[in-house]
Amino acid sequence: QVQLKQSGPGLVQPSQSLSITCTVSGFSLTSYGVHWVRQSPGKGLEWLGVIWSGGSTDYNAAFISRLSISKDNSKSQVFFKMNSLQANDTAIYYCARNSVGSSSFAYWGQGTLVTVSA
Amino acid sequence: DIQMTQSSSSFSVSLGDRVTITCKASEDIYNRLAWYQQKPGNAPRLLISGATSLETGVPSRFSGSGSGKDYTLSITSLQTEDVATYYCQQYWSTPPTFGGGTKLEIK
Repeated sequence: QVQLKQSGPGLVQPSQSLSITCTVSGFSLTSYGVHWVRQSPGKGLEWLGVIWSGGSTDYNAAFISRLSISKDNSKSQVFFKMNSLQANDTAIYYCARNSVGSSSFAYWGQGTLVTVSA
Repeated sequence: DIQMTQSSSSFSVSLGDRVTITCKASEDIYNRLAWYQQKPGNAPRLLISGATSLETGVPSRFSGSGSGKDYTLSITSLQTEDVATYYCQQYWSTPPTFGGGTKLEIK
């Protein structure tokens, strides 16, 4: 069955970077895009970006200067990196797979609670 | 960016009630509308896509309707397990954007 499993740190110091790996199973990264969404009490659910099956990326303009998404198809892994984190980046970060034929999200990772604090 | 507005952030309901949750887009999204259910500690769960298409495994008491800018999620005969927060999401344009959520609470 389709699964997305996230791994990454829970605590990041201000101005440092966040890296999360999303390891997928049950589908191929060459067939589906993987999106990143975060959720915070202050801003709710925010779409951050996507890496498409062909390897191209789209980013939310609000984060484009400090966000990078890449992948390794052979390892079924997607890599998320956000730079220059501040306290208001504290949130749960999710990877999610888009549904067939749409950018709704049928499958989600378990989420990574990231706290930005010294 | 397209703004998605869920007019009610929360409301109290009784078991067995029919519940209607509304979502309004800042512009026409041509039925590119999804609904999610989220329970505490869990990721959102996709219920409906394309404004009206129920995902596999979602109970038939859930339904979606609407067009243009205005969309509705309905739950007939609310069950205990339906107590959750519900979000709409448009995917007509990039970036996909979400509503602020509607939390259902039991009276």
